Amino acid sequence: QQPVQSPQAVILREGEDAVINCSSSKALYSVHWYRQKHGEAPVFLMILLKGGEQKGHEKISASFNEKKQQSSLYLTASQLSYSGTYFCGTGANFGNEKLTFGTGTRLTIIP
Amino acid sequence: DVKVTQSSRYLVKRTGEKVFLECVQDMDHENMFWYRQDPGLGLRLIYFSYDVKMKEKGDIPEGYSVSREKKERFSLILESASTNQTSMYLCASKQPGPLYNEQFFGPGTRLTVL
Repeated sequence: QQPVQSPQAVILREGEDAVINCSSSKALYSVHWYRQKHGEAPVFLMILLKGGEQKGHEKISASFNEKKQQSSLYLTASQLSYSGTYFCGTGANFGNEKLTFGTGTRLTIIP
Repeated sequence: DVKVTQSSRYLVKRTGEKVFLECVQDMDHENMFWYRQDPGLGLRLIYFSYDVKMKEKGDIPEGYSVSREKKERFSLILESASTNQTSMYLCASKQPGPLYNEQFFGPGTRLTVL
């Protein structure tokens, strides 16, 4: 089963904060976050591993709650360039190269 | 600069045709993937290859096959295209192992089956 992402879509004004959630019904080893801008290929943002710390760079960070099998992506003081569709990809085991991607969250930032 | 290329950005085929989608990567990656992307369903894995001539089924392999004769090239084959295979197809590649986390995606092929 695919992880479920929420919300499915969100519209924000520049400077506002956003939280995107990814929830799995299976035990997870890793969560990978990707962003896909309109008409472009998905691009890797970050990975969170079981037992690891919260990750982040600049104004985009993420957390991973292993017990709840959930991850959240935090975008603070959003910029126009943050617009796109965000996907979480989950890995079940160490060394498993295959990811199961979520349903996606479309984020639109308006001036 | 790492690069994954796909043979066509847009493709229109008729029901019953045999369709080949080609993907080439220049990063010498062992792992390659084919996904389809549909609105509301996200990215779903069709097939995965971890070496030349080696493959594993993904979550939705029905109606598809793959070929990997050379390390840099991974082909997705629709033996007899059907309208429900109209979709965006994305190829990706990755170096194996826990030190390499990132999948590099191609630009996608939007396939329409009439």
